[in-house]
Amino acid sequence: DGGITQSPKYLFRKEGQNVTLSCEQNLNHDAMYWYRQDPGQGLRLIYYSQIVNDFQKGDIAEGYSVSREKKESFPLTVTSAQKNPTAFYLCASRATMTELAKNIQYFGAGTRLSVL
Amino acid sequence: SQKIEQNSEALNIQEGKTATLTCNYTNYSPAYLQWYRQDPGRGPVFLLLIRENEKEKRKERLKVTFDTTLKQSLFHITASQPADSATYLCALGGKLSFGAGTTVTVRA
Repeated sequence: DGGITQSPKYLFRKEGQNVTLSCEQNLNHDAMYWYRQDPGQGLRLIYYSQIVNDFQKGDIAEGYSVSREKKESFPLTVTSAQKNPTAFYLCASRATMTELAKNIQYFGAGTRLSVL
Repeated sequence: SQKIEQNSEALNIQEGKTATLTCNYTNYSPAYLQWYRQDPGRGPVFLLLIRENEKEKRKERLKVTFDTTLKQSLFHITASQPADSATYLCALGGKLSFGAGTTVTVRA
């Protein structure tokens, strides 16, 4: 069953703690993305990666870090420097093989992060 | 600055009626515009993509129009059903920017 798997579904962070959100895809997609969604706002891009071992900052990268050591995996770390981390985090991937498909993104089910 | 605006008010309609959602954008020149559906607590799911040279696109009970002069896309759900209740997001641009979405509730 192809798709994007995010875990955990719910996550709680204590003050000063770093937490890591997992994102795995078996779609063989090259590009992967992390978004943050807050109530009443559009998805905001945190980081994206178009290829293994390379990633770029999005619009709101401060307080977050990522790695892309494998094509299938793009974990996001929410560091203690992110002062307002409570949000719904979405991971997505995108195929790059065809012109028509190249901008269509496939999303995971999300991780809801809350601060204790 | 670049902006994508969707109907901020939630849309409540009677089953069987047509829901019409608006997406307006500024300071983009998109080659494509996309619509996604998002259910509560879930990730968005791709519905339709329309190119700049297409005026209209249909998929089952969904219809999308794209007017690059007005910088606007309209998304129609015809013969709406309670199962169509969700938030609908428009998205465009090279790095794919999303609007905040319009929540549709279809009453039986």
